[in-house]
Amino acid sequence: GAVVSQHPSRVICKSGTSVKIECRSLDFQATTMFWYRQFPKKSLMLMATSNEGSKATYEQGVEKDKFLINHASLTLSTLTVTSAHPEDSSFYICSARAPDRGTDTQYFGPGTRLTVL
Amino acid sequence: QKEVEQDPGPLSVPEGAIVSLNCTYSNSAFQYFMWYRQYSRKGPELLMYTYSSGNKEDGRFTAQVDKSSKYISLFIRDSQPSDSATYLCALRGGGYNKLIFGAGTRLAVHP
Repeated sequence: GAVVSQHPSRVICKSGTSVKIECRSLDFQATTMFWYRQFPKKSLMLMATSNEGSKATYEQGVEKDKFLINHASLTLSTLTVTSAHPEDSSFYICSARAPDRGTDTQYFGPGTRLTVL
Repeated sequence: QKEVEQDPGPLSVPEGAIVSLNCTYSNSAFQYFMWYRQYSRKGPELLMYTYSSGNKEDGRFTAQVDKSSKYISLFIRDSQPSDSATYLCALRGGGYNKLIFGAGTRLAVHP
């Protein structure tokens, strides 16, 4: 399968700081990447769809000024949680579409656990 | 009504049992059907991908799609403790670029 990495895997920060999470497709080019949030024992909640070279499309209820997404290249998308607060603590997972792999589905990264103190 | 319904479980079975996991959906425009496995504190891993009604087999896993009933299943034969995880169904189609996920079913296979 296609490989997607995320960095960092875990981050702890103070309230009010900003945190950047990177998502990379390692062995394929991803024109579309997705950012999800997951609470304990809950399913994935799509936050936004990121297309290379264009603005991200945010889901209803997701603050675009709070969660900044940049998809500057075909292998890298970043999510920046600005002025993080304890309620932003969650598991953030990215995925990337791999249409040239024959399945045209999404491959997920390992996730980033964010804890805001 | 949710677009995709999946019983969250938990489902507990003995090692060696056949496991049946299911999802129902309401939008007949869905064309692509996937099953993901997610271990605790990890990202989901793609297990099966189908786009037509019928069965698809891969090792101990069989994915079944019945578009007429809007019902999809994942069967796990000879279940192992290492199969203990959350299994998520995911659907795409009907003009959606994104996946629509079920709630996920937590499975525990005990020795």
